[in-house]
Amino acid sequence: DVKVTQSSRYLVKRTGEKVFLECVQDMDHENMFWYRQDPGLGLRLIYFSYDVKMKEKGDIPEGYSVSREKKERFSLILESASTNQTSMYLCASSYRTGRASGANVLTFGAGSRLTVL
Amino acid sequence: RKEVEQDPGPFNVPEGATVAFNCTYSNSASQSFFWYRQDCRKEPKLLMSVYSSGNEDGRFTAQLNRASQYISLLIRDSKLSDSATYLCVVPRGGSQGNLIFGKGTKLSVKP
Repeated sequence: DVKVTQSSRYLVKRTGEKVFLECVQDMDHENMFWYRQDPGLGLRLIYFSYDVKMKEKGDIPEGYSVSREKKERFSLILESASTNQTSMYLCASSYRTGRASGANVLTFGAGSRLTVL
Repeated sequence: RKEVEQDPGPFNVPEGATVAFNCTYSNSASQSFFWYRQDCRKEPKLLMSVYSSGNEDGRFTAQLNRASQYISLLIRDSKLSDSATYLCVVPRGGSQGNLIFGKGTKLSVKP
């Protein structure tokens, strides 16, 4: 089975702290994504990446940055955490287009619940 | 019209009932559609893909109506284990793997 592992299930940080959320997948997927999920707002795409060292902004990139130095690892960075970034963060991965529509079959990690005080 | 829109529910149904959810989408060029399932406090997982008129997998049937731009999910003989939130998902035009998620429809199956 494809496995997407997020390093921390629960984090509590203070306003202004720098926060790193790590995500690793073990199935050689090209595509990786970071979403946040909030009640009443659903899943919103923050950033995504189709290849190493490549990144694209999603719908809500403000206040976030990402890093993809290796194919299997996609990190989300909050440079200066704020209370409105309290949320559930979900990492996902998929194959690149051309593999029998596998690009649209996302496998998610278990999520990282971040609380910013 | 919003990009992807779903009735949030909750749909409360007894075991054995048949229940259907609809989802409307705005991008008429969309070619493929998906239903993901998310259990409480868990991550979303793919339930079904819909590429043409429809798809059936056991008790689950997904149908596509391109003229009216909606997809539906029908669950027959509901089980307690079907209780979850069902997310309608549409690919964003031009970007493979970049998906637009609906906010979900919550289903609760009661004994």
